[in-house]
Amino acid sequence: EPEVTQTPSHQVTQMGQEVILRCVPISNHLYFYWYRQILGQKVEFLVSFYNNEISEKSEIFDDQFSVERPDGSNFTLKIRSTKLEDSAMYFCASIKAGTQSYEQYFGPGTRLTVT
Amino acid sequence: KNEVEQSPQNLTAQEGEFITINCSYSVGISALHWLQQHPGGGIVSLFMLSSGKKKHGRLIATINIQEKHSSLHITASHPRDSAVYICAVLGNQFYFGTGTSLTVIP
Repeated sequence: EPEVTQTPSHQVTQMGQEVILRCVPISNHLYFYWYRQILGQKVEFLVSFYNNEISEKSEIFDDQFSVERPDGSNFTLKIRSTKLEDSAMYFCASIKAGTQSYEQYFGPGTRLTVT
Repeated sequence: KNEVEQSPQNLTAQEGEFITINCSYSVGISALHWLQQHPGGGIVSLFMLSSGKKKHGRLIATINIQEKHSSLHITASHPRDSAVYICAVLGNQFYFGTGTSLTVIP
C-alpha cells in the first residue's frame, strides 16, 4: 500500500540553524499538511498546501517557517532559525485526491531536537 | 481555548471490555477524524466521519452534528488496542484533541 515517507527520522540541530524537513506524499494526493507535536502535548496544525500554495496556516506558522513543493514529489518544511521551542515531532500528511473523504495519510514523523 | 475536547484523558480497561471515548467540538466542521497514535509516535487514521456511523472490525465511530459530539467505541478490547486515540476536526483548519490514552490489561 502506498505510504507517506519522511526524512530524516531524527534531526539534531543547534539553535539558530536552518533545518529542512522532507516529506514524500502519496503520488496522486493533492492536499498536504504539516503538523507538530511537542513531547507530551497534543498534535498541532501548522499549514495546509494545495495547488502549489498555502491554503491555511496556524498562528504557529510564522515567518520562520516556509513550505515548498519543489519538484512535484517532495514537500518540505523549512525552519529558518530554529529555537529551542521548535523541538518536536513533525508529521506530514496528505489527503487522497478526487474524493470528498478527507481521509489523511500520515508519515512516520521527523523528531527535531534543537540544542 | 480548546476547539476539541476529549474524555476521558486516560482509560484503563480489562481485556474484553467495551470502551467508549468521547469527543466534543465547538467549531463548524466538514469532517471529523479519529486517529490512533502508538507509543512509537506513528499516527494512523481510523475513521473519517461527516455524518452517522462507521464500523471497521471492532471499532465503531458515531457523530452527531447537531450536538457537535462524536464517540469512538471499541468492542471486545484487546491489549493491542493500547494507544492514544485522538479526535481531530476539519474546520478552516484541523483542530486536534489532547487524546485519550487507553491501556488494555490482559
